[in-house]
Amino acid sequence: DQQVKQNSPSLSVQEGRISILNCDYTNSMFDYFLWYKKYPAEGPTFLISISSIKDKNEDGRFTVFLNKSAKHLSLHIVPSQPGDSAVYFCAAMLVDEKLTFGTGTRLTIIP
Amino acid sequence: DGGITQSPKYLFRKEGQNVTLSCEQNLNHDAMYWYRQDPGQGLRLIYYSQIVNDFQKGDIAEGYSVSREKKESFPLTVTSAQKNPTAFYLCASSIPRLKGDYGYTFGSGTRLTVV
Repeated sequence: DQQVKQNSPSLSVQEGRISILNCDYTNSMFDYFLWYKKYPAEGPTFLISISSIKDKNEDGRFTVFLNKSAKHLSLHIVPSQPGDSAVYFCAAMLVDEKLTFGTGTRLTIIP
Repeated sequence: DGGITQSPKYLFRKEGQNVTLSCEQNLNHDAMYWYRQDPGQGLRLIYYSQIVNDFQKGDIAEGYSVSREKKESFPLTVTSAQKNPTAFYLCASSIPRLKGDYGYTFGSGTRLTVV
């Protein structure tokens, strides 16, 4: 039972344009959400997070939006750069502090 | 520099053999985790430990074992009972959410291949 879903396995975006990565979840008890970026053969690195009491969090080029009623979050990257090409995982947490990860979206930035 | 060290980076194992993956952290984090990554399946939790001498099974613990004798170390043993051990294994650590900005810190991973 996949509680966190990333329905787009891959996404290609022109350099300089906006990249939008989407994530859906089924468990309404999740109260904290994170995005991680991963390069091949490396561990994921933390990008940005959002608490369920907020609907938006911004950090430089990265913005995460949370729509609790739709159980949906998205990561916006503006402007997209070649170094952003990687696999992006969304993750959700319950009060027990374990993270449940989505299946990932491979983002390719086209120069 | 503080961080998590996983070793070795690549590991080959013959079928029927047990193998132990190392994970050491010097971040003074209380909790440690083991995840497995397979193509198209994201990261799946194998075991986790929130304090020394205590650990719990994750979603796919069958065929694996762990120990947590020291705060800094959380080794994972892949036993011969694990049916499909070939995968990329990731270790992570974290502090409790109440202590500040929350997020896992990951190691660089170990690629295990059964030959």
